[in-house]
Amino acid sequence: DVKVTQSSRYLVKRTGEKVFLECVQDMDHENMFWYRQDPGLGLRLIYFSYDVKMKEKGDIPEGYSVSREKKERFSLILESASTNQTSMYLCASSSFWGRDDEQFFGPGTRLTVL
Amino acid sequence: SQQGEEDPQALSIQEGENATMNCSYKTSINNLQWYRQNSGRGLVHLILIRSNEREKHSGRLRVTLDTSKKSSSLLITASRAADTASYFCATDSNYQLIWGAGTKLIIKP
Repeated sequence: DVKVTQSSRYLVKRTGEKVFLECVQDMDHENMFWYRQDPGLGLRLIYFSYDVKMKEKGDIPEGYSVSREKKERFSLILESASTNQTSMYLCASSSFWGRDDEQFFGPGTRLTVL
Repeated sequence: SQQGEEDPQALSIQEGENATMNCSYKTSINNLQWYRQNSGRGLVHLILIRSNEREKHSGRLRVTLDTSKKSSSLLITASRAADTASYFCATDSNYQLIWGAGTKLIIKP
């Protein structure tokens, strides 16, 4: 059974803290994505990666960075967490060679910044 | 940037009835996908329709695509309590997906 896992389901952090969200996929997918989901706004792409050590900005990269040192792992970093980064964070992966662009999602991390 | 817009934002129907959700988008697409999200969890892919297709079926799901109107609809027939979820359409753009805000579907027993 294919799987995308995220390091935490719930996370509470304080303003100014550095936050790491980790995502691991076991499908040998080339593409990995980080989204944030807020009510009424759908999913917004933060960063994505086509390959190890490669990253591309999405629609809302400000305040975030990413790391992809291994193919299966894609980390999202909040350098200095702020209250407006309180959100649900979803990681996804897809195959570059896949016939379609179906994305496989992790269960999400609900982050609260106090 | 948001491409798809679902309509309605929320829908509440009796179990056994059919549910129809609509999605409109702005630019040309290669395909359009529908996903389901159960309360506060990750998304699950339901069905994909390509730009050269007009209709597609999968079990109780029926998807139509009208590229001239830049719109799609998702029909769930004979709804069940387990269909209660949020449904999102997403259009592809160079291996990225652009998402709508979703339709929240509630199935009443």
